[in-house]
Amino acid sequence: EAQVTQNPRYLITVTGKKLTVTCSQNMNHEYMSWYRQDPGLGLRQIYYSMNVEVTDKGDVPEGYKVSRKEKRNFPLILESPSPNQTSLYFCASSSSGTGGYSYGYTFGSGTRLTVV
Amino acid sequence: AQTVTQSQPEMSVQEAETVTLSCTYDTSESDYYLFWYKQPPSRQMILVIRQEAYKQQNATENRFSVNFQKAAKSFSLKISDSQLGDAAMYFCAYRSRGYKYIFGTGTRLKVLA
Repeated sequence: EAQVTQNPRYLITVTGKKLTVTCSQNMNHEYMSWYRQDPGLGLRQIYYSMNVEVTDKGDVPEGYKVSRKEKRNFPLILESPSPNQTSLYFCASSSSGTGGYSYGYTFGSGTRLTVV
Repeated sequence: AQTVTQSQPEMSVQEAETVTLSCTYDTSESDYYLFWYKQPPSRQMILVIRQEAYKQQNATENRFSVNFQKAAKSFSLKISDSQLGDAAMYFCAYRSRGYKYIFGTGTRLKVLA
């Protein structure tokens, strides 16, 4: 089954304790991205990756890191989480290139992060 | 910079009736793609319908159709014969032929029995 696997689904942590949210896709997609969803603000892009070793900032990158060492994996790292990073996070992947742009995202199931 | 605006934070519709959700966007590009996503209470994001900007014909998927007005930069979603399962948050999204993939703030749709 084609899917984006995102873990964990729920996470409660304390301020300053480093954490990683994992994301893996099995569709050989070039493009992967992380979003955070907050009430009234919709989905805002944190980071995206066009391919292996190619990443760039989205609209709200402060406090986050990513890496793309393998095509299938795109982890999101919070090195020193703060309460304002409490949010619902989504990983998503998509084809790119000719024809691929017309396809939408395949989303992971989301991670509800609470930082206390 | 591209923007996507959904001006209706919440809407209601009677079961079996038709409802239209609005979306406007701003871009200087001529080649792009537009999408509507549905997010039910399970929070899973589900692609509802997509539209290529170069196609004049409006996209249709069963009870879901769009009214794409390129000159007006408008992309509304019409849901016909609304069902209780249509109750969800709906997001409009814009994708350029590159890395930009922007979402609106969403419209919460309530379906009344």
